[in-house]
Amino acid sequence: AQKITQTQPGMFVQEKEAVTLDCTYDTSDQSYGLFWYKQPSSGEMIFLIYQGSYDEQNATEGRYSLNFQKARKSANLVISASQLGDSAMYFCAMREGGSGGYQKVTFGIGTKLQVIP
Amino acid sequence: GAGVSQSPRYKVAKRGQDVALRCDPISGHVSLFWYQQALGQGPEFLTYFQNEAQLDKSGLPSDRFFAERPEGSVSTLKIQRTQQEDSAVYLCASSLVEAAAWANVLTFGAGSRLTVL
Repeated sequence: AQKITQTQPGMFVQEKEAVTLDCTYDTSDQSYGLFWYKQPSSGEMIFLIYQGSYDEQNATEGRYSLNFQKARKSANLVISASQLGDSAMYFCAMREGGSGGYQKVTFGIGTKLQVIP
Repeated sequence: GAGVSQSPRYKVAKRGQDVALRCDPISGHVSLFWYQQALGQGPEFLTYFQNEAQLDKSGLPSDRFFAERPEGSVSTLKIQRTQQEDSAVYLCASSLVEAAAWANVLTFGAGSRLTVL
């Protein structure tokens, strides 16, 4: 089974509108972290937002928020007030493993977001 | 250093040549990951180090791929007898490993783009 599933290969959004990028995950660990990264055409991976498995509140970072539904194993990224500079690939990732030992960080296949003026 | 440094940024190799890709992580970062990213795809896990110990090499595609981190800082990914299917961007990422290790954010380098002719 895929560890991270992103089902939207491509998304379009009008400038200044909000958009939701979907992510579901699969793990049997109790402790895990969920991350979203942005990869513009220049290629660098930019960290956007983090949600821990024990966090009861949804994470927010400026225009980014993470809609965390633990029972459904989903961690959707919401971008509010889209800007042209938001056009990029977006990757959902999950980190598993305890401290002092084995770690695993798995990425989804990504969603290409294009913001339309 | 201030960020994760990778070299070379671009490498063109003839089929059958050996290549070595270098990663210099952020000072003090215990965890180091290598990923392979094919065009239009998400990063695929190759291997994971904690200090000098290679704890997981399950993602290395064949015995032509070898990674080391002898002193727990700089890491080298070596590919022997390169094939065309090895053409990809190779990403290195590092992080701290603290309590609640699943919360540690990966910081990525700019990547090394390998083209095998």
